[in-house]
Amino acid sequence: DTGVSQDPRHKITKRGQNVTFRCDPISEHNRLYWYRQTLGQGPEFLTYFQNEAQLEKSRLLSDRFSAERPKGSFSTLEIQRTEQGDSAMYLCASSLTIAKNIQYFGAGTRLSVL
Amino acid sequence: TQLLEQSPQFLSIQEGENLTVYCNSSSVFSSLQWYRQEPGEGPVLLVTVVTGGEVKKLKRLTFQFGDARKDSSLHITAAQPGDTGLYLCAPVMNRDDKIIFGKGTRLHILP
Repeated sequence: DTGVSQDPRHKITKRGQNVTFRCDPISEHNRLYWYRQTLGQGPEFLTYFQNEAQLEKSRLLSDRFSAERPKGSFSTLEIQRTEQGDSAMYLCASSLTIAKNIQYFGAGTRLSVL
Repeated sequence: TQLLEQSPQFLSIQEGENLTVYCNSSSVFSSLQWYRQEPGEGPVLLVTVVTGGEVKKLKRLTFQFGDARKDSSLHITAAQPGDTGLYLCAPVMNRDDKIIFGKGTRLHILP
């Protein structure tokens, strides 16, 4: 296993379009996290899953954002009706529940909304 | 919500120089993590400090956790261009399941 992988690495879209990102965690990790990082900031927590259950969502996650992890393995993050303010790096991380503070991050998907 | 400050925000120094960056808060933490993030990549965990006053060394990097567990510092000796990146501190509260990052210190080492 080569770590957490995210696809695509870059996405350019027009305002109003929908986009979907995928994250494949480290295979034995049951926790999966999504973060968003804008220029000049550290990553900000969006949501996390334990297996297929979404256990926490940040207030940053507006109604236009939805995340799923249907089989407890890979996860998708969808943004509907994108806005320019959604432009950011979207990072995925995974961990074991017993070591929840040791999170391994993917390289991220950089979204640019024109 | 704890207020977390990292300083300086930006630092550009010559190869071979020493530097220290800081992470300060008004809250007491269970432990604290330091990450390095290179351009186009995700953060990578460098170290977790747990005990007040603890000092950990990772090659040329020295991490210290304040006695009161409210602050931490990272000292780099003889900086090299490979040290360039965004250094993030992240306090750990055992009750939390997510990581709260500071804004980071962006470090650039000039060859």
